[in-house]
Amino acid sequence: DVKVTQSSRYLVKRTGEKVFLECVQDMDHENMFWYRQDPGLGLRLIYFSYDVKMKEKGDIPEGYSVSREKKERFSLILESASTNQTSMYLCASSLIPGRETSGRWNEQFFGPGTRLTVL
Amino acid sequence: AQTVTQSQPEMSVQEAETVTLSCTYDTSESDYYLFWYKQPPSRQMILVIRQEAYKQQNATENRFSVNFQKAAKSFSLKISDSQLGDAAMYFCAYRSANGATNKLIFGTGTLLAVQP
Repeated sequence: DVKVTQSSRYLVKRTGEKVFLECVQDMDHENMFWYRQDPGLGLRLIYFSYDVKMKEKGDIPEGYSVSREKKERFSLILESASTNQTSMYLCASSLIPGRETSGRWNEQFFGPGTRLTVL
Repeated sequence: AQTVTQSQPEMSVQEAETVTLSCTYDTSESDYYLFWYKQPPSRQMILVIRQEAYKQQNATENRFSVNFQKAAKSFSLKISDSQLGDAAMYFCAYRSANGATNKLIFGTGTLLAVQP
């Protein structure tokens, strides 16, 4: 089974701190995603990566950056945390279209989430 | 741009009863995929069911089935014989069949409570 892990379930940081959220997947997936989940807003895409060192902005990239130095690891960076970045952060991974194997579909697999509080 | 709308923020169902969660979407594309994801309390999001737009037949996975109405751009989820473990946040999602990535567009979610 695909396993997507995130470095922390809960994190409390101070305003202005640099914050690193890490995500690791063990299924050789090309695509990795970072979402932010807020009540009433659903999941919104922050950044995604379709290969090592490749990244694209999602719908809400402001205040965030990402790093993908290895295929299995995708990091989300808050350069200077602010209180409006208090949220649940979800990481996901998937194969790229065309790499689906027999019996498996090209779904996104999610990590458990990191609930970040910025004080 | 594509959008996904879930108009029911919360729903409730009695155990063993049937409930239908609504989802509508807007797109100008003809080829795409639709998904329902489930997020149990404090647990990971998992895929419940998926539908390819080119298929007329509605997808079914055990107690979960969809009513896919392409012309109306509607994609509802029916849960039959509801169980306590079905209590969760349910998200509807859209993915274009074009392009080299696998980006999803999510709705705002429906929180389903199951009453014993």
